[in-house]
Amino acid sequence: AQSVTQLGSHVSVSEGALVLLRCNYSSSVPPYLFWYVQYPNQGLQLLLKYTTGATLVKGINGFEAEFKKSETSFHLTKPSAHMSDAAEYFCAADGGYNKLIFGAGTRLAVHP
Amino acid sequence: NAGVMQNPRHLVRRRGQEARLRCSPMKGHSHVYWYRQLPEEGLKFMVYLQKENIIDESGMPKERFSAEFPKEGPSILRIQQVVRGDSAAYFCASSPPGSSNNQPQHFGDGTRLSIL
Repeated sequence: AQSVTQLGSHVSVSEGALVLLRCNYSSSVPPYLFWYVQYPNQGLQLLLKYTTGATLVKGINGFEAEFKKSETSFHLTKPSAHMSDAAEYFCAADGGYNKLIFGAGTRLAVHP
Repeated sequence: NAGVMQNPRHLVRRRGQEARLRCSPMKGHSHVYWYRQLPEEGLKFMVYLQKENIIDESGMPKERFSAEFPKEGPSILRIQQVVRGDSAAYFCASSPPGSSNNQPQHFGDGTRLSIL
């Protein structure tokens, strides 16, 4: 069965530093992949998605993610963290029949 | 705001009571999904519905939980005889007609259910 693993439940960076949030998927057939962000007491907002084609995907708020089939990874990056990036980030894969399989989430803290 | 609307935002129930959670999809969307988020965990798929049809309920507990999406009105997630373990955030998402696996789902702000 498809599964999604996010390494690191908490990540802390300084403002202006690189953000790297890790995600690995388990499927032998590359699935469609998504990154969502969740701010406190809110729903999930789509950051970016990978379907087919270019392996480097650009999303909103300066985030991007690179699909690497050889590593079964879809890590999320941002060159320079901003205080407003503090939130929880979820990687998800399509589990078939429109079902999303989510990782456990990574809480990003940004300090001055 | 034509986003996914969920109500109530917060719901408190005593053990044994019933909880009803409502979800109105985005305008023009006919696919509705329910997910549950337990504390410190990611979202877990529960059920996928289209108008008047349950497409996939593989994530629904076998007892006490049911969902519907009638021809008119919002989708309802119903939990009967609630227990403490039902305390969670329940999220609804929607997507347009003809959605395939690569279509992003749009999420509501969730209903936080607390069981006393």
